[in-house]
Amino acid sequence: DAGVIQSPRHEVTEMGQEVTLRCKPISGHNSLFWYRQTMMRGLELLIYFNNNVPIDDSGMPEDRFSAKMPNASFSTLKIQPSEPRDSAVYFCASTPEEKGNSPLHFGNGTRLTVT
Amino acid sequence: QKEVEQDPGPLSVPEGAIVSLNCTYSNSAFQYFMWYRQYSRKGPELLMYTYSSGNKEDGRFTAQVDKSSKYISLFIRDSQPSDSATYLCAHTSGGTSYGKLTFGQGTILTVHP
Repeated sequence: DAGVIQSPRHEVTEMGQEVTLRCKPISGHNSLFWYRQTMMRGLELLIYFNNNVPIDDSGMPEDRFSAKMPNASFSTLKIQPSEPRDSAVYFCASTPEEKGNSPLHFGNGTRLTVT
Repeated sequence: QKEVEQDPGPLSVPEGAIVSLNCTYSNSAFQYFMWYRQYSRKGPELLMYTYSSGNKEDGRFTAQVDKSSKYISLFIRDSQPSDSATYLCAHTSGGTSYGKLTFGQGTILTVHP
């Protein structure tokens, strides 16, 4: 089991550029979550999908943020245009089912720096 | 008031000490309570989860929930240097999505030999 795979591990970009973060959930997991972690605000849920369908995007901070899940094995989080305040570690996580007591499995995150 | 309050520490203890980590929460709808451990440059990993009030033990770790006072704790016995990490409490109301978690700020723990 390779776990949740995120790429890239680090991303440095200039303000105004488009950033795309990628996630491959654990095979067989049908719920996928994007979280953001900052020193000031801690870990916050941005959006989650169940069976590739976005269920709750109330945590997405602005229209500059968008997420897609075109199939069960791939999801992207896009920021366009990026701003310095978007600098954070972005985590993707997956779980086998939406309900129940299955734990959330996190990837190792993408550390985004916007200059 | 934040939904989950957690003392960020940092907390430094000698090897072998008993560690007590605590969180308070404000939303009575929370039903599931978890503790995650996060090593530097890694994603959080689930340590323990509980549903009801009371204690749950797993090896050197004990999770305690007091719903009447909205207080949860994690105790680590015989702490080891490998326990040095950030510990995050988390909650969910359950029912809808178990993965829709509200996290505390995390407590940074260092266990020195």
